[in-house]
Formats: sequence, C-alpha cells, structure tokens
Amino acid sequence: SQQGEEDPQALSIQEGENATMNCSYKTSINNLQWYRQNSGRGLVHLILIRSNEREKHSGRLRVTLDTSKKSSSLLITASRAADTASYFCATVAFWAAGNKLTFGGGTRVLVKP
Amino acid sequence: GAVVSQHPSRVICKSGTSVKIECRSLDFQATTMFWYRQFPKQSLMLMATSNEGSKATYEQGVEKDKFLINHASLTLSTLTVTSAHPEDSSFYICSASTGNKNEQFFGPGTRLTVL
Repeated sequence: SQQGEEDPQALSIQEGENATMNCSYKTSINNLQWYRQNSGRGLVHLILIRSNEREKHSGRLRVTLDTSKKSSSLLITASRAADTASYFCATVAFWAAGNKLTFGGGTRVLVKP
Repeated sequence: GAVVSQHPSRVICKSGTSVKIECRSLDFQATTMFWYRQFPKQSLMLMATSNEGSKATYEQGVEKDKFLINHASLTLSTLTVTSAHPEDSSFYICSASTGNKNEQFFGPGTRLTVL
C-alpha cells in the first residue's frame, strides 16, 4: 500500500524556475528517498535522507525532512527541460526488516523550454 | 556501477500464456530483489520481496501462484506471470539492493501487454 501522498500531483514550470514538491508519510521512518522516473523507464535514485537529518543537498537538488510533521520536500533549482519526469518519494519504515520501500503517488513535472 | 537490467523490455502475449521476466544485477551482488507493478500514471506498487535462496515474500493481495518468483543467485531473479490475462497488462519493474536500509537500484522495466 502507498504510504506517502505527494503534492502537487502535477507541476508545470518554465525552464530556469524552481520546482518544489512535497511528500507526506504516515509511519516512523528509517530514511526517505527521492527517485526520478522518465516516461516509460525505470527509476533513478536521487537522494536519501536519514531520519536524523533535516536537510540534504545534491547538485541542484535540495531535500528537507521534518519528522515531526512526517513530511519531506524536494526542491529542484534552475530547472531544465531534461528535468521533465515524474518524481517519487519513498520511505523505509523504522521497524522494517531490510529496506522495503513504500512509494508516494508521485509528482509529474513538466519543464517548458 | 550498480546497474540492473531487465529482459525483455517489452512483451506482447496472448491471454492464457505465461511470461517470464528476468532481472539481473550486472556489477554487484544483490542480497535482495524487489518486484513492482506500475499502472499508467500511477505509482509503483510492491508485489514481492525476494532473497537469494529463499522463498519470496508477497505483499497482501498478490497471488503467489500467479506471480512466480525465483531468486536463484545473487545476480538473477525471475518473475513469471502465469496464465496471463489482459488485466495483468502493466509495467513491471525490478530493483536490487545490496544491504539493509540502503537505496535500491532499479531496472528499466518490462512493458507487458496481454491481448
């Protein structure tokens, strides 16, 4: 079952603008991960943030995590047409054996050139 | 590094036939492999977790007799959709993991169309 809800479901922006998407989850987590999926393709891992971390950066990506609100955000700065994709958050539950992921519904991002 | 392949990338079959999908970790040994199903414009739904040398663990609502999973080695897992029907048409994605709580590396997916 899906744990996370993502907001917005779809986002359309101009190249150069920033894109922000949010993810909420329900249970205590060990970590939260963000993935990108281009249409009809597999997922690409973007970033992993652990439950004791609040913010993480990777290139043009910035991820925040607020465990008190059970939410995370992904910011893509200076977006490019190549950033057009669906973005998913996924959580590894604190109590889970192994690293089973529970995915959010995803945000479809369209970056117009 | 951390490349996962799937074969075939696309398959079309007649209703009632069985289809096998392979998932391989090319440059690492995967202690665990996962199988997901994704319907159009929807998220990934975990079907089962597969550990090498042991039986797969299926998620609630997934028929283990219909979706047979074999994880024969640390680099290969197979999903067989038995007696496929049109409602089984979907995008099937596998992933592989090297250890506990770590990221998963995803294959490119297999598009199954059952006529």
